Amino acid sequence: DGGITQSPKYLFRKEGQNVTLSCEQNLNHDAMYWYRQDPGQGLRLIYYSQIVNDFQKGDIAEGYSVSREKKESFPLTVTSAQKNPTAFYLCASSIANRAYSGANVLTFGAGSRLTVL
Amino acid sequence: RKEVEQDPGPFNVPEGATVAFNCTYSNSASQSFFWYRQDCRKEPKLLMSVYSSGNEDGRFTAQLNRASQYISLLIRDSKLSDSATYLCVVNRGGKLIFGQGTELSVKP
Repeated sequence: DGGITQSPKYLFRKEGQNVTLSCEQNLNHDAMYWYRQDPGQGLRLIYYSQIVNDFQKGDIAEGYSVSREKKESFPLTVTSAQKNPTAFYLCASSIANRAYSGANVLTFGAGSRLTVL
Repeated sequence: RKEVEQDPGPFNVPEGATVAFNCTYSNSASQSFFWYRQDCRKEPKLLMSVYSSGNEDGRFTAQLNRASQYISLLIRDSKLSDSATYLCVVNRGGKLIFGQGTELSVKP
Protein backbone atom coordinates (compact mmCIF):
# COMPACT_ATOMS: atom_id res chain seq x y z
CA ASP A 1 0.00 0.00 0.00
CA GLY A 2 1.18 3.51 -0.77
CA GLY A 3 1.76 5.90 2.07
CA ILE A 4 4.12 7.98 4.14
CA THR A 5 6.39 6.47 6.76
CA GLN A 6 7.82 8.56 9.56
CA SER A 7 10.43 7.35 12.02
CA PRO A 8 11.05 7.20 14.84
CA LYS A 9 7.56 7.40 16.34
CA TYR A 10 8.92 8.56 19.69
CA LEU A 11 12.26 10.26 20.30
CA PHE A 12 13.91 11.65 23.39
CA ARG A 13 16.74 14.12 23.10
CA LYS A 14 19.01 15.89 25.50
CA GLU A 15 19.37 19.62 25.21
CA GLY A 16 22.09 20.62 22.78
CA GLN A 17 21.74 17.54 20.57
CA ASN A 18 20.69 17.55 16.94
CA VAL A 19 18.17 14.91 15.86
CA THR A 20 16.95 13.87 12.42
CA LEU A 21 13.40 12.74 11.74
CA SER A 22 12.88 10.51 8.74
CA CYS A 23 10.04 10.85 6.21
CA GLU A 24 9.66 8.50 3.23
CA GLN A 25 6.76 8.33 0.75
CA ASN A 26 5.97 5.88 -2.04
CA LEU A 27 3.03 7.83 -3.44
CA ASN A 28 5.10 9.39 -6.23
CA HIS A 29 4.13 12.81 -4.88
CA ASP A 30 6.18 15.83 -5.95
CA ALA A 31 5.54 18.03 -2.92
CA MET A 32 6.49 17.26 0.67
CA TYR A 33 6.00 19.21 3.89
CA TRP A 34 6.97 19.29 7.54
CA TYR A 35 4.57 20.61 10.15
CA ARG A 36 4.84 21.02 13.88
CA GLN A 37 1.87 20.68 16.23
CA ASP A 38 1.83 21.81 19.85
CA PRO A 39 -0.97 20.86 22.29
CA GLY A 40 -4.21 22.70 21.54
CA GLN A 41 -2.77 24.37 18.49
CA GLY A 42 -3.07 23.95 14.77
CA LEU A 43 -0.30 22.76 12.51
CA ARG A 44 2.47 25.21 11.68
CA LEU A 45 4.56 24.84 8.55
CA ILE A 46 8.31 24.38 9.06
CA TYR A 47 9.61 23.65 5.54
CA TYR A 48 8.20 22.46 2.25
CA SER A 49 9.61 21.14 -0.99
CA GLN A 50 7.93 21.20 -4.38
CA ILE A 51 10.61 19.31 -6.27
CA VAL A 52 13.82 17.39 -5.72
CA ASN A 53 16.81 19.53 -4.70
CA ASP A 54 14.59 22.48 -3.85
CA PHE A 55 12.85 23.54 -0.64
CA GLN A 56 11.43 26.68 0.98
CA LYS A 57 11.08 27.93 4.52
CA GLY A 58 7.69 27.86 6.12
CA ASP A 59 6.49 30.01 9.00
CA ILE A 60 8.75 28.58 11.72
CA ALA A 61 11.93 27.40 9.99
CA GLU A 62 14.40 28.75 12.55
CA GLY A 63 16.32 25.95 14.26
CA TYR A 64 15.39 23.38 11.61
CA SER A 65 17.01 22.13 8.40
CA VAL A 66 15.89 19.82 5.61
CA SER A 67 17.16 18.17 2.44
CA ARG A 68 15.42 16.77 -0.62
CA GLU A 69 17.96 14.66 -2.47
CA LYS A 70 15.39 12.08 -3.54
CA LYS A 71 11.75 12.43 -4.49
CA GLU A 72 10.76 9.84 -1.89
CA SER A 73 12.62 11.31 1.08
CA PHE A 74 12.41 14.59 3.04
CA PRO A 75 14.29 14.31 6.35
CA LEU A 76 14.02 17.03 9.00
CA THR A 77 16.87 17.89 11.36
CA VAL A 78 15.98 19.59 14.62
CA THR A 79 19.10 21.47 15.62
CA SER A 80 20.25 22.68 19.00
CA ALA A 81 19.31 26.18 17.85
CA GLN A 82 15.61 25.29 18.14
CA LYS A 83 14.75 26.65 21.58
CA ASN A 84 11.55 24.70 22.22
CA PRO A 85 11.71 21.52 20.16
CA THR A 86 9.33 19.33 22.19
CA ALA A 87 6.36 18.79 19.86
CA PHE A 88 4.52 16.44 17.53
CA TYR A 89 6.11 16.54 14.05
CA LEU A 90 4.07 15.64 11.00
CA CYS A 91 5.34 14.99 7.50
CA ALA A 92 2.94 15.23 4.58
CA SER A 93 2.97 15.00 0.82
CA SER A 94 0.76 16.07 -2.05
CA ILE A 95 0.69 15.51 -5.79
CA ALA A 96 1.81 19.09 -6.34
CA ASN A 97 1.91 22.48 -4.72
CA ARG A 98 -0.04 24.78 -6.95
CA ALA A 99 -2.26 27.68 -6.04
CA TYR A 100 -5.41 26.61 -7.84
CA SER A 101 -5.09 22.87 -7.86
CA GLY A 102 -6.99 20.29 -5.88
CA ALA A 103 -3.70 18.44 -6.00
CA ASN A 104 -2.89 20.22 -2.75
CA VAL A 105 -4.74 17.59 -0.72
CA LEU A 106 -2.29 16.38 1.89
CA THR A 107 -1.53 12.83 2.95
CA PHE A 108 0.13 12.69 6.36
CA GLY A 109 2.49 10.28 8.02
CA ALA A 110 1.70 9.01 11.52
CA GLY A 111 3.97 11.58 13.12
CA SER A 112 7.02 11.68 15.37
CA ARG A 113 6.83 12.82 18.99
CA LEU A 114 10.02 14.54 20.10
CA THR A 115 10.66 15.21 23.78
CA VAL A 116 13.64 17.16 25.01
CA LEU A 117 14.79 16.07 28.45
CA ARG B 1 -5.27 37.88 14.52
CA LYS B 2 -4.68 34.38 13.14
CA GLU B 3 -5.17 33.89 9.42
CA VAL B 4 -7.56 30.97 9.99
CA GLU B 5 -9.73 30.95 13.08
CA GLN B 6 -12.14 28.31 14.29
CA ASP B 7 -14.77 28.09 17.01
CA PRO B 8 -13.08 27.40 20.32
CA GLY B 9 -14.10 23.99 21.66
CA PRO B 10 -14.75 21.57 22.95
CA PHE B 11 -18.25 20.78 21.70
CA ASN B 12 -19.98 18.13 23.81
CA VAL B 13 -23.12 16.73 22.16
CA PRO B 14 -25.37 13.68 22.56
CA GLU B 15 -25.57 11.00 19.90
CA GLY B 16 -27.94 11.96 17.13
CA ALA B 17 -27.42 15.69 17.53
CA THR B 18 -26.62 18.08 14.71
CA VAL B 19 -23.48 20.12 15.23
CA ALA B 20 -22.00 22.97 13.21
CA PHE B 21 -18.41 24.18 13.11
CA ASN B 22 -17.44 27.61 11.87
CA CYS B 23 -14.19 28.88 10.41
CA THR B 24 -13.16 32.31 9.19
CA TYR B 25 -10.14 33.26 7.13
CA SER B 26 -8.60 36.69 6.81
CA ASN B 27 -6.85 36.58 3.44
CA SER B 28 -9.22 37.13 0.52
CA ALA B 29 -6.59 35.65 -1.83
CA SER B 30 -7.28 32.17 -0.42
CA GLN B 31 -8.25 29.82 -3.22
CA SER B 32 -9.30 26.45 -1.89
CA PHE B 33 -10.60 25.09 1.37
CA PHE B 34 -10.72 21.80 3.23
CA TRP B 35 -11.88 20.13 6.42
CA TYR B 36 -9.56 17.59 8.02
CA ARG B 37 -10.29 15.29 10.93
CA GLN B 38 -7.69 14.46 13.57
CA ASP B 39 -8.17 11.72 16.14
CA CYS B 40 -6.37 12.00 19.46
CA ARG B 41 -2.60 11.64 19.03
CA LYS B 42 -2.98 10.70 15.37
CA GLU B 43 -2.30 12.40 12.06
CA PRO B 44 -4.94 14.56 10.34
CA LYS B 45 -6.91 12.97 7.51
CA LEU B 46 -8.90 14.70 4.80
CA LEU B 47 -12.61 14.76 5.59
CA MET B 48 -13.77 16.77 2.61
CA SER B 49 -12.89 19.59 0.28
CA VAL B 50 -15.16 22.64 0.34
CA TYR B 51 -16.59 23.88 -2.95
CA SER B 52 -18.14 27.26 -3.69
CA SER B 53 -21.55 25.76 -4.32
CA GLY B 54 -21.45 23.78 -1.10
CA ASN B 55 -21.10 20.02 -0.99
CA GLU B 56 -22.40 17.08 0.94
CA ASP B 57 -20.97 13.69 1.79
CA GLY B 58 -23.42 11.54 3.71
CA ARG B 59 -24.05 13.18 7.07
CA PHE B 60 -21.48 15.91 6.42
CA THR B 61 -22.20 19.20 4.64
CA ALA B 62 -19.58 21.85 3.92
CA GLN B 63 -20.33 25.40 2.84
CA LEU B 64 -18.23 28.33 1.71
CA ASN B 65 -19.12 32.02 1.73
CA ARG B 66 -16.36 33.88 -0.07
CA ALA B 67 -17.91 37.30 0.52
CA SER B 68 -17.86 36.78 4.27
CA GLN B 69 -14.69 34.67 4.18
CA TYR B 70 -16.42 31.97 6.13
CA ILE B 71 -16.47 28.17 5.95
CA SER B 72 -18.75 25.81 7.81
CA LEU B 73 -19.08 22.10 8.47
CA LEU B 74 -22.39 20.56 9.52
CA ILE B 75 -22.60 17.06 10.97
CA ARG B 76 -26.06 15.52 11.16
CA ASP B 77 -27.08 12.55 13.30
CA SER B 78 -23.73 12.55 15.08
CA LYS B 79 -22.16 9.21 16.03
CA LEU B 80 -19.79 8.30 18.84
CA SER B 81 -17.18 7.69 16.15
CA ASP B 82 -17.40 11.35 15.07
CA SER B 83 -15.52 12.34 18.24
CA ALA B 84 -12.32 14.00 17.03
CA THR B 85 -10.78 17.40 16.36
CA TYR B 86 -11.90 19.08 13.14
CA LEU B 87 -9.36 21.27 11.37
CA CYS B 88 -10.23 23.99 8.90
CA VAL B 89 -7.56 24.37 6.20
CA VAL B 90 -7.14 27.18 3.69
CA ASN B 91 -4.91 27.14 0.60
CA ARG B 92 -3.34 30.51 -0.08
CA GLY B 93 -0.99 30.55 -3.04
CA GLY B 94 -0.10 26.90 -2.59
CA LYS B 95 0.54 27.33 1.12
CA LEU B 96 -1.84 25.37 3.35
CA ILE B 97 -2.81 27.25 6.51
CA PHE B 98 -4.42 25.30 9.36
CA GLY B 99 -6.83 26.56 11.98
CA GLN B 100 -6.27 25.51 15.56
CA GLY B 101 -9.05 22.92 15.41
CA THR B 102 -12.36 22.41 17.18
CA GLU B 103 -12.73 19.35 19.38
CA LEU B 104 -15.97 17.37 19.21
CA SER B 105 -17.01 14.86 21.84
CA VAL B 106 -20.16 12.83 21.12
CA LYS B 107 -21.66 11.20 24.21
CA PRO B 108 -24.06 8.21 24.42
